Amino acid sequence: DAKTTQPNSMESNEEEPVHLPCNHSTISGTDYIHWYRQLPSQGPEYVIHGLTSNVNNRMASLAIAEDRKSSTLILHRATLRDAAVYYCILRDKETYNTDKLIFGTGTRLQVFP
Amino acid sequence: GAGVSQSPRYKVAKRGQDVALRCDPISGHVSLFWYQQALGQGPEFLTYFQNEAQLDKSGLPSDRFFAERPEGSVSTLKIQRTQQEDSAVYLCASSLLMNTEAFFGQGTRLTVV
Repeated sequence: DAKTTQPNSMESNEEEPVHLPCNHSTISGTDYIHWYRQLPSQGPEYVIHGLTSNVNNRMASLAIAEDRKSSTLILHRATLRDAAVYYCILRDKETYNTDKLIFGTGTRLQVFP
Repeated sequence: GAGVSQSPRYKVAKRGQDVALRCDPISGHVSLFWYQQALGQGPEFLTYFQNEAQLDKSGLPSDRFFAERPEGSVSTLKIQRTQQEDSAVYLCASSLLMNTEAFFGQGTRLTVV
């Protein structure tokens, strides 16, 4: 399974943008890049995913490097509710006998008022 | 609409006792996953179902762990002869199809004493 590398923790102030990096140098051509986050005492929740092009949704933006060996999750204006552990996950779209998400240790984001 | 529901939310078991954890996925979701999350760690994959078929059980840590989804909807994770190292949060997730957004339940916190 392709691996991802993320910083253990990051800090931000409320209302500021946050850029969460992820390295995935062994990514294959069929791997999608997924981001999930886990709020305290909750199950993980989907944030965003992409393959090659940058993606935007109501929660965040995903910027993918041209060589796809790294990506950045962008929260445009952090709120206190965004404090969570953020996981960057590679998911092979051409695996048909399983569909597991491989979570690493993620990045713990702290947001200060 | 209803999300993924897990019961019980908390379970305390004496060492050696058998436990059964229930997961009600979102109606109509084909894929169902079980994960184990130890304190301070990311979720670890246990097993994956596509409808009633258990396609991947590579993450089950021992033969004391058994999962079933007999009618392709509700799933049960059973742990026989529980041991202290089984203490963790057990998360269930479902998705409409393979490679689509996974929705997680809040988990069952199992404590083995």
